Amino acid sequence: DVKVTQSSRYLVKRTGEKVFLECVQDMDHENMFWYRQDPGLGLRLIYFSYDVKMKEKGDIPEGYSVSREKKERFSLILESASTNQTSMYLCASSLQWGRGREQYFGPGTRLTVT
Amino acid sequence: QKEVEQNSGPLSVPEGAIASLNCTYSDRGSQSFFWYRQYSGKSPELIMFIYSNGDKEDGRFTAQLNKASQYVSLLIRDSQPSDSATYLCAVTNTGNQFYFGTGTSLTVIP
Repeated sequence: DVKVTQSSRYLVKRTGEKVFLECVQDMDHENMFWYRQDPGLGLRLIYFSYDVKMKEKGDIPEGYSVSREKKERFSLILESASTNQTSMYLCASSLQWGRGREQYFGPGTRLTVT
Repeated sequence: QKEVEQNSGPLSVPEGAIASLNCTYSDRGSQSFFWYRQYSGKSPELIMFIYSNGDKEDGRFTAQLNKASQYVSLLIRDSQPSDSATYLCAVTNTGNQFYFGTGTSLTVIP
């Protein structure tokens, strides 16, 4: 079974703090993704990576950065957390090639910024 | 225009009935189509995917794809209260990105 794990299920941070969210997958997937999910807005892509040290901006990259130093690990960084970054953060991974390329999700991190 | 559109619902069906969930997409180059189920407070889990026109069945679930009309649907037969969740449709083209719909909320009434 594909396993995608995220470092925390729940996180509470203060405005202005630097926040690190980590994601690890064990299926040797090339692609990794970070989304946030808010009620009524669905899943919105923040960043994705298709290889080590490679990254592409998604739909809402402002206020976020990412790091992928190893194939299995993809980190999301909130440089200076703000209250509008309170959300559910979901990491996903997939193969890069092939018709399926389904994404597998981690359990999510619910981040609250106060 | 959004890449993927779904009726947000809520959709309510009685237990044992067929639930029908629909999704339309805008990019004619789309190649693979996915249905995810998401329980409240949980992450999406893959139910099935389809990439050829026609039907694909897996247990009580059937995915239907019509590329000419640019829609994909999910039928859930013999609906159970445990099927109550939000169902997300997702589409990919030749690139690496997924395009998700905002989901349809389904409630199965015992």
